[in-house]
This record gives sequence, C-alpha cells and structure tokens, in this order.
Amino acid sequence: GAVVSQHPSWVICKSGTSVKIECRSLDFQATTMFWYRQFPKQSLMLMATSNEGSKATYEQGVEKDKFLINHASLTLSTLTVTSAHPEDSSFYICSARFLGAGGTTDTQYFGPGTRLTVL
Amino acid sequence: KQEVTQIPAALSVPEGENLVLNCSFTDSAIYNLQWFRQDPGKGLTSLLLIQSSQREQTSGRLNASLDKSSGRSTLYIAASQPGDSATYLCAVLIYSGAGSYQLTFGKGTKLSVIP
Repeated sequence: GAVVSQHPSWVICKSGTSVKIECRSLDFQATTMFWYRQFPKQSLMLMATSNEGSKATYEQGVEKDKFLINHASLTLSTLTVTSAHPEDSSFYICSARFLGAGGTTDTQYFGPGTRLTVL
Repeated sequence: KQEVTQIPAALSVPEGENLVLNCSFTDSAIYNLQWFRQDPGKGLTSLLLIQSSQREQTSGRLNASLDKSSGRSTLYIAASQPGDSATYLCAVLIYSGAGSYQLTFGKGTKLSVIP
C-alpha cells in the first residue's frame, strides 16, 4: 500500500523558535495533502489543504501566518510552526491524496504524525 | 502493532434506512477512538470522539459506541439521507508514553445512500 512519512516524529523546541515538519508521499505523487492537529482528549481537526503549486487553503480559525504550508513538489509538503508557543504543543498529522488511474480510486493515506512540544 | 479493521468496505442502502458501520481494533489500550467522514478530495471531517472511559457518543442522527474490552466500535446512522454518502473512517489513538502518540486509521467504509 501507499506510504506517507513524516519527519520528525517528535520535536521539542523552545518558545519563540520555528519548527518545520515534513510530509512525504514515498511511492506516489500527491497534488493534494492535508494537515491536521490533535490536542489531548480532542478530535483530529483539519488545519489546511495543501495544493502543489498553489497556496494552501486554511480552515476557519487557523492562522496562516502562524502555520506556513509549502507544497514544494508532488511528494513533499511542509508545515512550519512559526514563533512557536506552548499552546502550539500538539500532535500534527498529514495525509496525502492518492488518485488512481482513471479516477477509480480517491483516498487518503496518513502519515504517522509528529508530536510537537514547545517549552 | 495496532490494527484497525472496518467492515463492510462498502455499503449501499436506500434512503431512510438505519445502518451500522463496524470498526474493530487489536490493542484495547486506546486513548480514544474517533469517527470521521471523508468526501472525495476533501479533508476529514470529525464526527464523533469517544474517550477510552466512555461507552458512547451521540450527535444528531449519529451514535457511536465503544467496547474497549472486545476491541469494537460501531457507528449507527439513523434515517440515512443521500447527503450521508461518503467514506467513513474510524481511528484509534494510543498514547505510547513520553509525550508520544500513535494514530491508526481503518481503511474506511464507503457508504452510498440511494434516493
């Protein structure tokens, strides 16, 4: 099956620094990737839709200047948490949209997630 | 390793019917279980979240139950509508210690509600 990786799997940083998280589709091309975050005891929530070659679409309430998304290629999207604060500590997970030949398959494959802890 | 299975893979029902989607998981030491809706080309929409200490959650026509000991969850949809047609995913979250989590998804059930 298709594989999506995230790097790093866990990162600890100081308040005020920026952190970049990578999401890669390893064996397929993904024109669309999605970024989610999850707080403890809360559901996974969509943050933004990342489209290769164009600007990301952010969900309501998500600060685009705070969470910078760059879909640099058909296999890589990055999420940069700028000037991170403790309240940004969360579990971030990405997914990549896989379109099968002829449009017969349209599904998402999920990365393993990145745990961000801001001190 | 946690494995999440959803049965059936696809389901087609006439409008108005009540239906049940099933989700099973192999490791009962879960932090929570979530049900999502996925529309083609769109991000996931969270439907219901059940904490490990809870047995069910309800939202409108949706009711999700959780039986941790048997490793099962069901999503009940009452009075189905064509707009309910989508793929439904369940996912379990495990807390693996030291601030590390792991989220495992099932492959989903594709639901078609026929007008």
